[in-house]
Amino acid sequence: GAVVSQHPSRVICKSGTSVKIECRSLDFQATTMFWYRQFPKQSLMLMATSNEGSKATYEQGVEKDKFLINHASLTLSTLTVTSAHPEDSSFYICSARDRVAGGLKQYFGPGTRLTVL
Amino acid sequence: GEDVEQSLFLSVREGDSSVINCTYTDSSSTYLYWYKQEPGAGLQLLTYIFSNMDMKQDQRLTVLLNKKDKHLSLRIADTQTGDSAIYFCAVSGGSQGNLIFGKGTKLSVKP
Repeated sequence: GAVVSQHPSRVICKSGTSVKIECRSLDFQATTMFWYRQFPKQSLMLMATSNEGSKATYEQGVEKDKFLINHASLTLSTLTVTSAHPEDSSFYICSARDRVAGGLKQYFGPGTRLTVL
Repeated sequence: GEDVEQSLFLSVREGDSSVINCTYTDSSSTYLYWYKQEPGAGLQLLTYIFSNMDMKQDQRLTVLLNKKDKHLSLRIADTQTGDSAIYFCAVSGGSQGNLIFGKGTKLSVKP
């Protein structure tokens, strides 16, 4: 089946540093990738939608200058948390929509646990 | 906007059937999904159903859709301890083509 990878799986950083998270679709092309954030015992909340070759679309309340998204190719999207603070600590999950399947199937990455000290 | 509701907890004994329920508000949702999340892990797509279907069965999993009542359920037959996880109901229809998720139902399976 289709696989989406995320790297790193876990990161601990000091407050004020920037962290880059990669999301890759390994065996399919994804015109659209979604970035979600999940707080403990909460559901997934959409942060932004990443379309290859164009600017990302951010959900209300998500700072685009803080969460930089780059969708460099049909298989790679990156999320950079700039000047991270403890309140940014969360589980970040990406999903990729299969271009060939007409967007029917969305596959999720394993997630990245970010802890900001 | 779309709202997806699930009960938060379900506890069953090993070997029993589990039924996880979900309600949604947007009748135009075309695809409805069930995902499984184990502790510390990402989401695993279990199954999905088109809105023009009433039922879909895949091995131990049965999905029932009542479009009139906007009610979706997931039945797990012969529930095992390995089925213990959080199950998320999700529907298509987000403004960006994203999925809208419920809060998840934590399934606990007791031996």
